Amino acid sequence: KQEVTQIPAALSVPEGENLVLNCSFTDSAIYNLQWFRQDPGKGLTSLLLIQSSQREQTSGRLNASLDKSSGRSTLYIAASQPGDSATYLCAPSPISSGSARQLTFGSGTQLTVLP
Amino acid sequence: DTGVSQNPRHKITKRGQNVTFRCDPISEHNRLYWYRQTLGQGPEFLTYFQNEAQLEKSRLLSDRFSAERPKGSFSTLEIQRTEQGDSAMYLCASSRRPDGELGNTIYFGEGSWLTVV
Repeated sequence: KQEVTQIPAALSVPEGENLVLNCSFTDSAIYNLQWFRQDPGKGLTSLLLIQSSQREQTSGRLNASLDKSSGRSTLYIAASQPGDSATYLCAPSPISSGSARQLTFGSGTQLTVLP
Repeated sequence: DTGVSQNPRHKITKRGQNVTFRCDPISEHNRLYWYRQTLGQGPEFLTYFQNEAQLEKSRLLSDRFSAERPKGSFSTLEIQRTEQGDSAMYLCASSRRPDGELGNTIYFGEGSWLTVV
C-alpha cells in the first residue's frame, strides 16, 4: 500500500523567502504525481502534475521535481508571498490503483508566509 | 468550464439521519471520484466512476454509503443512518480519461462538510 510522507508538517517563513516542501512515497511505481494547494475549509486546487517520465514541471513561481526511483518529490516556491499561505499536499497516483488512477495523499505541509 | 460543483457545502444532521451530497463534474470529464477528508489529514479515496459505471470502491465505503452517477454526468453520495464518525469533508473530483500511460489532472470541488451531532 502506498504511503506518503510530507516534511515538514508545518513551516513558517518571512515574505520573500524561497522554500522547499518535501514529499516521499513508498511505492515508486506511479503513473504521475500531483501537487495541490488547500486553503482552510476549502477544496483542493491543482498546482502541478508531473508524469512518471518527467523530472520536473514549472508554473510561475512554482517548480516541482520528481525522482521516481527514490520515491521523492519536492515543491520549490520562489519569492514566497503571504497569499501562498495554505496547506500543500502531494499525491502520487500508484500503478497499483489500476485503471482508477486514484491518488494517495500525504497529510500536507501547512505553510505560513509572514508579511 | 465552471469547475467541479458540490452542494450542499455544509450539512449538520442528527445521528441516524440520512444525507445526500451532489456533485456536478467539469463537463466532458468522464471520470468522477469521491474522497473523504478529516481534519489534519489528506483526502482518502472512496469511489470512482467512469461514465455511469462505478468501477471501484474503497473498503472505507461501508454498506451505509452509496454513490450513483445515473447518466454519466452528476453524481450523488448518500450516507444512511449517519454516525458521528462520518463527520468529515466529502470531496468530489473529476478528470478526463487518461491517454494511455499519461495521467490527466484531477480537479477537485470545494467539498461538502458534514457534521453529525
